[in-house]
Order: sequence, then structure tokens, then C-alpha cells
Amino acid sequence: EIVLTQSPATLSLSPGERATLSCRASQSVSNYLAWYQQKPGQAPRLLIYDASNRATGIPARFSGSGSGTDFTLTISSLEPEDCAFYYCQQRTSLTFGGGTKVEIK
Amino acid sequence: QVQLQESGPGLVKPSETLSLTCTVSGGSISSYYWSWIRQPPGKGLEWIGYIYYSSGSTDYSPSLRSRVTVSVDTSKNQFSLKMTSVTAADTAVYFCARVMTSHWYFDLWGRGTLVTVSS
Repeated sequence: EIVLTQSPATLSLSPGERATLSCRASQSVSNYLAWYQQKPGQAPRLLIYDASNRATGIPARFSGSGSGTDFTLTISSLEPEDCAFYYCQQRTSLTFGGGTKVEIK
Repeated sequence: QVQLQESGPGLVKPSETLSLTCTVSGGSISSYYWSWIRQPPGKGLEWIGYIYYSSGSTDYSPSLRSRVTVSVDTSKNQFSLKMTSVTAADTAVYFCARVMTSHWYFDLWGRGTLVTVSS
């Protein structure tokens, strides 16, 4: 089974700052990786698929990059509504990473 | 637009069977794979299994395969989850979700339903 490790566990930044979230796979997943955002009490929302493609309706400040085993989700300029948990997911065995919590100072 | 809604008992006794249904409204269940995912309180996401609407073909998480069955009722636009021999470790919010066409990501989710396993 492919294990996804996300870091950091928590990211605390001010509005307008750049957020960089990492997801590392235990073996190569090519570019078959997605990112989700989950706010408290809500279902996850698909942000990025195939490492770098924004899903429908996702703001341009969210971008994804990477391939193989190392992936990054970047929020270029944090908005207060970006306070949430973020999860990565690979499509080979459909496992999720443990998540990163983004806090707004 | 298409919406998903989970339904079923919120409380299940240990060793009994958990049964949930997901109703697809505003669109057809056809042409997609459909999935169940769960999230224990305060923890991360775990994929449970999926089903293809037409063939009924399924696949399950290796860790849950022996206890889980996913089925579909196309006439009702519903798909279902059954999990046998539940324990407290199965307490979680259960989400139903649609698998994105030609990809294996989840592009549409229900709001989720909390199932507590307790006597």
C-alpha cells in the first residue's frame, strides 16, 4: 500500500502570506495525486487533480505541483476562508494523507 | 445540480451490521463509479470501497474487504454500504462520493452522516 505523508501538521500564517503544503508518497505515483480542502463540519472539496489541474470553480490562488513522490500545494495569498484541513490522495490505491491544518493568524 | 445524501441509523451496537444508503438527486447514477469514505472523529479520511453503476463491479480497501459490501439500485438512483461485525473503531462520519470520470478522485461528496458504534 502506498503511504502518503503530509507536512507540516499545522501551518499558521497571516492573511496575504504564501502557504506551502507538502505531500510525500512512499513510492512513485507519477502525477496521479489530488488535493482536497475540508472545513469543520463539511465534506472535503476537490481542489487539484493530477497534481496540477485545478478542479471546477477553484480560485487561481490554489496551485499544485510535483511528480513521482514529492508534491506541493501552494496557496499564493492566504484568505481568511482558506482556514481548513488539506488532504492529499493518490489514485492507485485511493489512500489519503494524514492532513495539514492551515490556521490564519 | 447533482447532490448526494447519506441516510441510515446513527447508532449501531457492537458486533451488528452498519447499513447506509446514498441517494443521488438532480442527476443520474449512470456513467459513474460511486464510493464510500469515512472519517473517525478528529482523524483523517479512509476510503472504504466503490461500485460501478452498470456492471456492479466493486473494489474495497484491503483492511475492510472481509466486512464490507457496496451495492447499487439504479432504479432508485441509490447505492448502499453494509459493514458487518462493527466495533467502536468503526465510529466515524461516513461520506458517499462520486468518482471523477476518467480519474480516480472524488469530485462530488455528500454531507456525511455520523455513525456511532456503542451498546
